[in-house]
Amino acid sequence: LAKTTQPISMDSYEGQEVNITCSHNNIATNDYITWYQQFPSQGPRFIIQGYKTKVTNEVASLFIPADRKSSTLSLPRVSLSDTAVYYCLVGEIYNQGGKLIFGQGTELSVKP
Amino acid sequence: DADVTQTPRNRITKTGKRIMLECSQTKGHDRMYWYRQDPGLGLRLIYYSFDVKDINKGEISDGYSVSRQAQAKFSLSLESAIPNQTALYFCATSDPQGVQETQYFGPGTRLLVL
Repeated sequence: LAKTTQPISMDSYEGQEVNITCSHNNIATNDYITWYQQFPSQGPRFIIQGYKTKVTNEVASLFIPADRKSSTLSLPRVSLSDTAVYYCLVGEIYNQGGKLIFGQGTELSVKP
Repeated sequence: DADVTQTPRNRITKTGKRIMLECSQTKGHDRMYWYRQDPGLGLRLIYYSFDVKDINKGEISDGYSVSRQAQAKFSLSLESAIPNQTALYFCATSDPQGVQETQYFGPGTRLLVL
């Protein structure tokens, strides 16, 4: 499984755009990139998933360059409620259920 | 996710005691998982089950056992609890559809082993 590296923590202010980058140099051809969000004392929650280029949903955007060795989660105009830990995961989708590896994640702190 | 419930939500037990954590889901998913979370270590997979007759070890299964009583129920047991099993435990379910597989997590069980 591809190892992921992301910043331990980030600070931001309300209304700003936040970009969290994840490195996955050993990503395999069949691997997808998935991001989860976790609030204190709650289970992680799926945010977005992609394979290449750009994916956007109502919560975030995911940018994946052509070489797929990194990915960037973009949160537009964050609010205090976006304060959470964000995890980047890489794995083969059909087998991903049994092999999800959560790293330390990025602890995002949004300030007023 | 309210469709995935865990009981108890909090538990204090003593070293050597047997304890069971239970997970129930109403999502109709075949796949279920147990994770533990320790500060600074993210989540680590203990056991997972892809259907009622399937049980697989995760990365940290030693000291734990599981039972998949039905599609909707997946229990985690600590046969003889020890203090380093103090952690936050999460149950999750998933149902792969096409190329996307999302895991849905329960609210967690906070376990303290004295």
